[in-house]
Amino acid sequence: GQQLNQSPQSMFIQEGEDVSMNCTSSSIFNTWLWYKQDPGEGPVLLIALYKAGELTSNGRLTAQFGITRKDSFLNISASIPSDVGIYFCAGQLDSGYALNFGKGTSLLVTP
Amino acid sequence: DTGVSQDPRHKITKRGQNVTFRCDPISEHNRLYWYRQTLGQGPEFLTYFQNEAQLEKSRLLSDRFSAERPKGSFSTLEIQRTEQGDSAMYLCASSSGLTIRNQPQHFGDGTRLSIL
Repeated sequence: GQQLNQSPQSMFIQEGEDVSMNCTSSSIFNTWLWYKQDPGEGPVLLIALYKAGELTSNGRLTAQFGITRKDSFLNISASIPSDVGIYFCAGQLDSGYALNFGKGTSLLVTP
Repeated sequence: DTGVSQDPRHKITKRGQNVTFRCDPISEHNRLYWYRQTLGQGPEFLTYFQNEAQLEKSRLLSDRFSAERPKGSFSTLEIQRTEQGDSAMYLCASSSGLTIRNQPQHFGDGTRLSIL
């Protein structure tokens, strides 16, 4: 599969702070998705993006599909303790069915 | 609304044994996917079904692995002669639609396999 570079690898922030993370690829994708995974559970879909330049929000979460189609960004505003978890980006190639995942960003939020 | 269901949630077995996992997708989802996830990594694609047809297999799916979806509903993933390196979380996902676009994959909570 295609290698996705996700950064930062981990973040340790205080409650109320805003968070930004990103994902880059050497290949073009036609769909970008962001998932959150808690320990012992499967990834839960947060946001799906289908068009270059698209900006989509889901509550305090906002994600963008990069204009080059090779990157995506996820922002979390006013973080709360339940935002703790691992956030994964995933891209889907134009001709394939598989999701290609990054290695994840581990988010820790202190009260 | 029932999500993707996987069984068992945990499996511990000795090296060399065969194991089988089951996945029940979201109702009416015609697409089903298997992924494997090891510690500190994102999920890696194994195989994909559309209805009962297995349309894509990853190079990760060695000849000891076999997946089926006989009636286009639930799926099974079997690993024969398990090895230490098979220890991982095995995730199942499903999606709907006749085209790839605009149909995000929804995941189950996985089966955690530990090889002794």
